[in-house]
Amino acid sequence: DAGVIQSPRHEVTEMGQEVTLRCKPISGHDYLFWYRQTMMRGLELLIYFNNNVPIDDSGMPEDRFSAKMPNASFSTLKIQPSEPRDSAVYFCASSLRGASYNEQFFGPGTRLTVL
Amino acid sequence: GDSVTQMEGPVTLSEEAFLTINCTYTATGYPSLFWYVQYPGEGLQLLLKATKADDKGSNKGFEATYRKETTSFHLEKGSVQVSDSAVYFCALSPNTGGFKTIFGAGTRLFVKA
Repeated sequence: DAGVIQSPRHEVTEMGQEVTLRCKPISGHDYLFWYRQTMMRGLELLIYFNNNVPIDDSGMPEDRFSAKMPNASFSTLKIQPSEPRDSAVYFCASSLRGASYNEQFFGPGTRLTVL
Repeated sequence: GDSVTQMEGPVTLSEEAFLTINCTYTATGYPSLFWYVQYPGEGLQLLLKATKADDKGSNKGFEATYRKETTSFHLEKGSVQVSDSAVYFCALSPNTGGFKTIFGAGTRLFVKA
């Protein structure tokens, strides 16, 4: 099992540019989560999907952020336009409902730097 | 709403010292409780879990007991190693309603040789 796959692992961009982060969840998992981690704010849940449908996007900081899940094996998080305060590590995680507990499996993260 | 509070770090210990990281929670009903660990440069991974009161989760020498009466889930290890240096997150998942996991702020542990 390859685990959750995220790309790119590192992204450096300039303010105002569009950034797209990608995630491939574990095959068969029906929940997908996007998190942001910073020193100041810790780990924040941005949005999560169930069976490709967004369930709760209350953590998305503003309209510059958008997320999609066109199919069960792929999701994107887009920031347009990017700002320096968006610099953070972005994690994708997936999970399977029906287990006796709700373990989440995290990807390695994408470290985003906005100059 | 549901929440998790864990002790602030960093925690610095010498190798072979005893570790305790405190965690308390607020939740309705009977949530599942977790400890996740994040090693440098990696994502979080599940360390141990407990799904009902008085359950003890254990893994890699770490233990935590689900205490309903004190709403606590403290992490312990009898003898830490340098390789245990990481950030530890206490978390809960409600067994009713939504499927979100609520994470604590994380506690950074440094173990010195």
